[in-house]
Amino acid sequence: GDSVTQMEGPVTLSEEAFLTINCTYTATGYPSLFWYVQYPGEGLQLLLKATKADDKGSNKGFEATYRKETTSFHLEKGSVQVSDSAVYFCALSSTTSGTYKYIFGTGTRLKVLA
Amino acid sequence: EAQVTQNPRYLITVTGKKLTVTCSQNMNHEYMSWYRQDPGLGLRQIYYSMNVEVTDKGDVPEGYKVSRKEKRNFPLILESPSPNQTSLYFCASSPLTGTGRDKETQYFGPGTRLLVL
Repeated sequence: GDSVTQMEGPVTLSEEAFLTINCTYTATGYPSLFWYVQYPGEGLQLLLKATKADDKGSNKGFEATYRKETTSFHLEKGSVQVSDSAVYFCALSSTTSGTYKYIFGTGTRLKVLA
Repeated sequence: EAQVTQNPRYLITVTGKKLTVTCSQNMNHEYMSWYRQDPGLGLRQIYYSMNVEVTDKGDVPEGYKVSRKEKRNFPLILESPSPNQTSLYFCASSPLTGTGRDKETQYFGPGTRLLVL
């Protein structure tokens, strides 16, 4: 079945460092890909998404490109801030045989130090 | 304000005592879903609904029931809770139609933390 694999955390960085969180997926068909962020004590909220190959999603300085050839959707940010400390989830929408499921990765905790 | 609400936010119960967690959205979304979040396992989909009276199983449906009698509400029912259902539960909704950024984007509720003794 469809699946999402993302790098394990926690990831600890100093402020202004470069961030990469790896995400790869397995899917039949053509899923949409998402990054969600969860701040402490809150629900998830969409960070960015891409709906087809070579699309780049971007928001708040974060970027991710839908790479069909490598089945990846890595999250990047050029300069992280303390306020970016959160848990990041990679996800895909799986629409096969009339179903419409969402598959999430296990989450990567990011801690940014001042 | 557009939102997904869940109640209760915190619940402690005992094994076997039936409970319902309510979920409501005010965005007229077709799609609604329930997830559980457990350490090291991320979010796993329990059930989802693509419209009124249309529900389907996610990846971990055992021990749960849902119903979708109205578009805005999607309650999660635990008929006989067990300790392995202790978890953090999230409800989410999403539009399935339309264009732009909103389509397929899920809007999450604040979560319900459940402890089954």
